[in-house]
Amino acid sequence: GDSVTQMEGPVTLSEEAFLTINCTYTATGYPSLFWYVQYPGEGLQLLLKATKADDKGSNKGFEATYRKETTSFHLEKGSVQVSDSAVYFCALSTNTGFQKLVFGTGTRLLVSP
Amino acid sequence: DGGITQSPKYLFRKEGQNVTLSCEQNLNHDAMYWYRQDPGQGLRLIYYSQIVNDFQKGDIAEGYSVSREKKESFPLTVTSAQKNPTAFYLCASSPLQGRSGNTIYFGEGSWLTVV
Repeated sequence: GDSVTQMEGPVTLSEEAFLTINCTYTATGYPSLFWYVQYPGEGLQLLLKATKADDKGSNKGFEATYRKETTSFHLEKGSVQVSDSAVYFCALSTNTGFQKLVFGTGTRLLVSP
Repeated sequence: DGGITQSPKYLFRKEGQNVTLSCEQNLNHDAMYWYRQDPGQGLRLIYYSQIVNDFQKGDIAEGYSVSREKKESFPLTVTSAQKNPTAFYLCASSPLQGRSGNTIYFGEGSWLTVV
C-alpha cells in the first residue's frame, strides 16, 4: 500500500542553521505531496505542497521539490528560527477517486537560540 | 472567520462511556475527515465523508461512529468498544473530493483521555 517514510527526530539545530528533513514515499500512480506543520497543542497547518513531478513547493522560507526518480520530497530551509520549532509531517494523496492523506510519523524540530 | 471548529478541546472519559467530539466547518467543503494522532505514529484515518448522509470507514474505524446530517457538521462518537481511546483527535475538511491536489484543512484538535 501507499506509505511515507520520514527521518526520525528530534532534529536539533541552532538558530540560522540549514535544515533538511528527509521524506520518501511509496505509491501507485502519481500522488500529490504535502508538508504539514504542527505547533505544540495545535492542529496541522499546510506548509507547502507539490502536485506533479519536478514541482517545487515553497512557503515561509521552506522548500521541497517533488522528485519522482528518487520518490522523495525533502523539506529544506536555509536559516531556521526558534519559531520554526514544531513537528513536521510529510504526506501524500493519491488520485483514487477520493482524496485520502497518508502521513509519515512526523519529525520534531527543536531550534535553540 | 472561516475555519474548522472542534470541541471540546480537552475531554475526560470514564471507562465504559461513550463520548462525542464535535466538528463544525464554515468553509463550504464537501469532504470531511476524522484522524487520530498517537505519539510516534503520525495520523491515522478513522472515518471520512464526501457528501451529506454518506460516510465511509477509514483505516481504524472499529470502536468509532460518525454521522453527517449537515454539510458543515461531522461529529465523532468514541464508543466503549474502542479499547484504547486516549489520543489527540483531528477533524479536517477539503473542498472537492476526487482531486488529489486539493488541500485538506485541519481543526485545532481535541484531546481525549480515559480515566
